[in-house]
Amino acid sequence: SQTIHQWPATLVQPVGSPLSLECTVEGTSNPNLYWYRQAAGRGLQLLFYSVGIGQISSEVPQNLSASRPQDRQFILSSKKLLLSDSGFYLCAWSEGLAGINEQFFGPGTRLTVL
Amino acid sequence: GDSVTQMEGPVTLSEEAFLTINCTYTATGYPSLFWYVQYPGEGLQLLLKATKADDKGSNKGFEATYRKETTSFHLEKGSVQVSDSAVYFCALSDEGQGAQKLVFGQGTRLTINP
Repeated sequence: SQTIHQWPATLVQPVGSPLSLECTVEGTSNPNLYWYRQAAGRGLQLLFYSVGIGQISSEVPQNLSASRPQDRQFILSSKKLLLSDSGFYLCAWSEGLAGINEQFFGPGTRLTVL
Repeated sequence: GDSVTQMEGPVTLSEEAFLTINCTYTATGYPSLFWYVQYPGEGLQLLLKATKADDKGSNKGFEATYRKETTSFHLEKGSVQVSDSAVYFCALSDEGQGAQKLVFGQGTRLTINP
């Protein structure tokens, strides 16, 4: 069966510090991968998605970047965090096939920037 | 662009009450529609989905019907339980560049009192 892991579960970082959140998927090959952010009191916003190694699409301009160094690894990064980067970050995957496929979400990382 | 509008919360009900959470959407094509649920401290789980007009998705006593004429996908349950307390997200799919991108509503927090 497939599983998705995210770490860390919680993170408190000062403004201006770097960020690296990692997401890995097991039990599937060539998945589509996604990063979402859920700000306090708001819905989920798609930040990045990837259909293959090294292929990253950004949905909104921001202080963050994403990378996919391996087929089942998706990393969210920042060189200098802003207060507005605080939120709940969710990684998700779906089957990398044509058509409508369910997205499966990881447990999330709660980031607080102080 | 595509968008999803959900009934504003929070919603508080007594156990065994009837539940309706409204969801309407705006889309240029013919998206698939989803309801996701987020239990406290967890990531999102797919609750149900519908892929074409007049389809009814159902799971765990919840139902939603894809109404193209009213561009709606309202979530209903006949008798709610305390364990249904969670945040519910309506979403539509928007395919782009080989990936299925989800557009979420803002979420509705549901609390069921015993």
